[in-house]
Amino acid sequence: EDQVTQSPEALRLQEGESSSLNCSYTVSGLRGLFWYRQDPGKGPEFLFTLYSAGEEKEKERLKATLTKKESFLHITAPKPEDSATYLCAGRLNRDDKIIFGKGTRLHILP
Amino acid sequence: GAGVSQSPSNKVTEKGKDVELRCDPISGHTALYWYRQSLGQGLEFLIYFQGNSAPDKSGLPSDRFSAERTGGSVSTLTIQRTEQRDSAMYRCASSERGRRYEQYFGPGTRLTVT
Repeated sequence: EDQVTQSPEALRLQEGESSSLNCSYTVSGLRGLFWYRQDPGKGPEFLFTLYSAGEEKEKERLKATLTKKESFLHITAPKPEDSATYLCAGRLNRDDKIIFGKGTRLHILP
Repeated sequence: GAGVSQSPSNKVTEKGKDVELRCDPISGHTALYWYRQSLGQGLEFLIYFQGNSAPDKSGLPSDRFSAERTGGSVSTLTIQRTEQRDSAMYRCASSERGRRYEQYFGPGTRLTVT
């Protein structure tokens, strides 16, 4: 069964403490890996699209990378405003729908 | 410009009743998606509309669920004979042609079936 699995489920960091969130996928013929940010009570907000192993995308303190089996969202020197749930999703084969993981709840302590 | 809007924001209904949830996508966006999000769960795909093409209904959990999109814009998700397990946040998203996976989500409708 095609799946997208995120770890850890929750992560608490001190402000300035860098870390990485993991997204592993067992999707045959992955045709795109996407990262979203979701703030409490709001809909997800698009962050990045990755298509090829080795590809990297950056936005402010976030950098997303992709290998053949997983993706990482690296957060460098995070600030409290980076606290949110980060979702990754994978596109299957030639389907037009994407499968979301359950997310990582990130909490940055001031 | 205006984002994706959904109404109502909250809906409480009794088991067995029908409900309609509405989504207004961003103007000009050709793709529209419905998802369901339960506490502690990821976003579960329900249905996808792209322009005038036949919708992808493969995520609808039962025949009690249906959706339509009129005039390529507004969409309505209908749940008939609601059950308690239908309680969840229902989210709509839209995207523009050529950037289909850069989805813009609405604020959601919280459905509670009592």
